[in-house]
Amino acid sequence: EIVLTQSPGTLSLSPGERATLSCRASQSVSSDYLAWFQQKPGQAPRLVMYGASTRATGIPDRFSGSGSGTDFTLTISSLEPEDYAMYYCQRYGSSPYTFGQGTKLEIK
Amino acid sequence: EVQLVESGGGLVQPGGSLKLSCAASGFTFSGSAMHWVRQASGKGLEWVGRIRSKANNYATEYAASVKGRFTISRDDSKNTAYLQMSSLKTEDTAVYYCTRLGFSSGLGYWGQGILVTVSS
Repeated sequence: EIVLTQSPGTLSLSPGERATLSCRASQSVSSDYLAWFQQKPGQAPRLVMYGASTRATGIPDRFSGSGSGTDFTLTISSLEPEDYAMYYCQRYGSSPYTFGQGTKLEIK
Repeated sequence: EVQLVESGGGLVQPGGSLKLSCAASGFTFSGSAMHWVRQASGKGLEWVGRIRSKANNYATEYAASVKGRFTISRDDSKNTAYLQMSSLKTEDTAVYYCTRLGFSSGLGYWGQGILVTVSS
């Protein structure tokens, strides 16, 4: 089973700063089947990125995804107040659809 | 408007059973793979399993932690997915979400989540 490890556990940044979130897989993720979700307290998760680098519908272009194989990154170019949340990566395409443990993006 | 509405949650004793339902509207349910994801209080997301569409023979897959105890099914005539949970353990306590993850289209849909508490 592929294990996803996200880092850092918590990222404290100010509005306007650049956020870089990492997701590392224990084995290569085939066909870049890697997604990112955003979750705010009390809400269901929201798809942000899929296929490692394709923004989901309605996601602003300050969000970008990159990476392949075992190392993936979600970047938010200039943080807006609404971006502060938990972020999870997930591999898909074949079972099990493992999630990473999450990165908390908090306001500094 | 897209909606996924879970129902059937509640308190159940260890070893007991519970069946969750997920009623969908606003999108082509019959053509969508449907997943269940759970989240224990204060913890991260855990994928539970999925059921594929009729075109993919309603194939199901499960996380190791629930395999043999949980069963996912669907009724396309009712636009509803189900999660039958049996031999429940205290560690199954969580909010359960049904979701169309949306990786083929970029359109992901989630229910509001429903709480299942396994306790004596």
